[in-house]
Amino acid sequence: EPEVTQTPSHQVTQMGQEVILRCVPISNHLYFYWYRQILGQKVEFLVSFYNNEISEKSEIFDDQFSVERPDGSNFTLKIRSTKLEDSAMYFCASSAPDRGSYGYTFGSGTRLTVV
Amino acid sequence: AQSVTQPDIHITVSEGASLELRCNYSYGATPYLFWYVQSPGQGLQLLLKYFSGDTLVQGIKGFEAEFKRSQSSFNLRKPSVHWSDAAEYFCAVGAYSGNTGKLIFGQGTTLQVKP
Repeated sequence: EPEVTQTPSHQVTQMGQEVILRCVPISNHLYFYWYRQILGQKVEFLVSFYNNEISEKSEIFDDQFSVERPDGSNFTLKIRSTKLEDSAMYFCASSAPDRGSYGYTFGSGTRLTVV
Repeated sequence: AQSVTQPDIHITVSEGASLELRCNYSYGATPYLFWYVQSPGQGLQLLLKYFSGDTLVQGIKGFEAEFKRSQSSFNLRKPSVHWSDAAEYFCAVGAYSGNTGKLIFGQGTTLQVKP
């Protein structure tokens, strides 16, 4: 079964450093997403991406965050200057071309720890 | 505004007993509803989804859920719980904005299974 692959599974970074979280969506999917889950809390939408541009973003997704699809397979989330409160599990997801199907597939997540 | 409420933060059931996890949603249009399960340190696995049609949907691992429009509910059930079902369960509603459909998650319900 096709998977969404996220790397690394766990990243530790110092406050103020830049981090890039990487994702390889399912190959025929056209819509890409990042979600965040702070420990013990619910999963929150960050951003959606379609046709090489951001479709929607939440209030969490401020100027410190950016997304990119640098080639035909990768989808990245960059945090420019990490803060302690950015520590969370970050999930990438992709969905099928048929938006009516909501064929959402999540990756296993990257646990980001900011120290 | 769209929202999902899972009234039970933590539920404990005995192995072999039946289970019902509650979910209430607020959404203006016809909702797309989902249940996900998350084991500790793992990603989100889709249990089942409702788009339209039969209001009783079957999912993986013996789970089912019933959509009740009049009650704005989408409760998850399982007739006989197994110890391996211990996990965090998230209800979500799909919300379209343009071409993309973000998921809005509830706070989650932690299921503990007693031997």
